[in-house]
Amino acid sequence: QQQVKQSPQSLIVQKGGISIINCAYENTAFDYFPWYQQFPGKGPALLIAIRPDVSEKKEGRFTISFNKSAKQFSLHIMDSQPGDSATYFCAAGGSGGGADGLTFGKGTHLIIQP
Amino acid sequence: GAGVSQSPRYKVAKRGQDVALRCDPISGHVSLFWYQQALGQGPEFLTYFQNEAQLDKSGLPSDRFFAERPEGSVSTLKIQRTQQEDSAVYLCASSLNMARMNTEAFFGQGTRLTVV
Repeated sequence: QQQVKQSPQSLIVQKGGISIINCAYENTAFDYFPWYQQFPGKGPALLIAIRPDVSEKKEGRFTISFNKSAKQFSLHIMDSQPGDSATYFCAAGGSGGGADGLTFGKGTHLIIQP
Repeated sequence: GAGVSQSPRYKVAKRGQDVALRCDPISGHVSLFWYQQALGQGPEFLTYFQNEAQLDKSGLPSDRFFAERPEGSVSTLKIQRTQQEDSAVYLCASSLNMARMNTEAFFGQGTRLTVV
């Protein structure tokens, strides 16, 4: 059972454009929603994370939008740059009870064209 | 270094061989996680330690997989009698993660295991 569904699988955006990646989760016990960026041959690195008590969090060019009732969250990358080309993973985790690890989406391969 | 260190970076094993993968977490991090990442997929949770205690091993795919963290720092993931389906990148992550509250998990670069 896939608990975190991520789309699209791949995305091509022109330099300066907005990249949008969406995720949906099923388990209402999740209360921590991070986004990770992964370059080839490297481990995932945390970009930005949100908890369900807020609907939006912005850090620089990266924004998470969170819709608790719809059980959906998304990553927006503003003014996308070629250096942003990477694979992005959404994830979900819960505090208290159950596994303490994160459940990841399948990833989005993002290409920013110069 | 200050990050999570994993060794070896690459491992080629013959089918049926036992392998041991090492993880050095960030000093002082209480929590340690192992994940398996198949090609083109997201990481999948294997097991979790809080200090030396293995609190969750629900993600280990079979009894051929065994993990330990005897002194609460370095951890070893052992795979016995490797099979081709074990080929993947094995990621280790650590975090401060006190009181079962999720905090930032820092990942190592992973060990790419290829079983031939």
